Amino acid sequence: NAGVTQTPKFQVLKTGQSMTLQCAQDMNHNSMYWYRQDPGMGLRLIYYSASEGTTDKGEVPNGYNVSRLNKREFSLRLESAAPSQTSVYFCASSETAPYSNQPQHFGDGTRLSIL
Amino acid sequence: DQQVKQNSPSLSVQEGRISILNCDYTNSMFDYFLWYKKYPAEGPTFLISISSIKDKNEDGRFTVFLNKSAKHLSLHIVPSQPGDSAVYFCAASYGGGSNYKLTFGKGTLLTVNP
Repeated sequence: NAGVTQTPKFQVLKTGQSMTLQCAQDMNHNSMYWYRQDPGMGLRLIYYSASEGTTDKGEVPNGYNVSRLNKREFSLRLESAAPSQTSVYFCASSETAPYSNQPQHFGDGTRLSIL
Repeated sequence: DQQVKQNSPSLSVQEGRISILNCDYTNSMFDYFLWYKKYPAEGPTFLISISSIKDKNEDGRFTVFLNKSAKHLSLHIVPSQPGDSAVYFCAASYGGGSNYKLTFGKGTLLTVNP
């Protein structure tokens, strides 16, 4: 019963390096989301996707790109990593289109450190 | 600006007693409120939600109360169990599709002592 799977679980990058965080869900959910959580902070929405081929910006999209490869997979790319992007990144999915009453199912996160 | 506030970073209660976690919001456009629970090194797990047109929603040991006029909601856990020890996030949302907004509070660490 995998749910939402994120890879890798941990990563250390140098400033300026690029990286793609992978996320896959096996619940046949339509919508997928990327969040970041900084120490002592709540989760902040980076990007989300209501369906394959569509993406929308969340609260903190700068410095990131996303790809909804198919219904199962939603990747987050850092083109030129900066120390301010050191964070824990969570991927989530919800059954239908993004809507206020939709609970989300989260992966266990990717802990990313940028030196 | 912090539109969803959880002013208590931590709360400690005895097993069997009631836990009350509080959340305040400032944006009147929020029409749905959700609580998530998070254990260390895991992702958040959805717990319970409430629509802005209701003032109470109950699910087993968990009850959420909404006071819309005060822009305040609370999560009650009765009775509290050691396995409830986790960080609890309040979240508020409105809109949908490309106009979707979801905002989380900073969380409250609940510790239930045996």
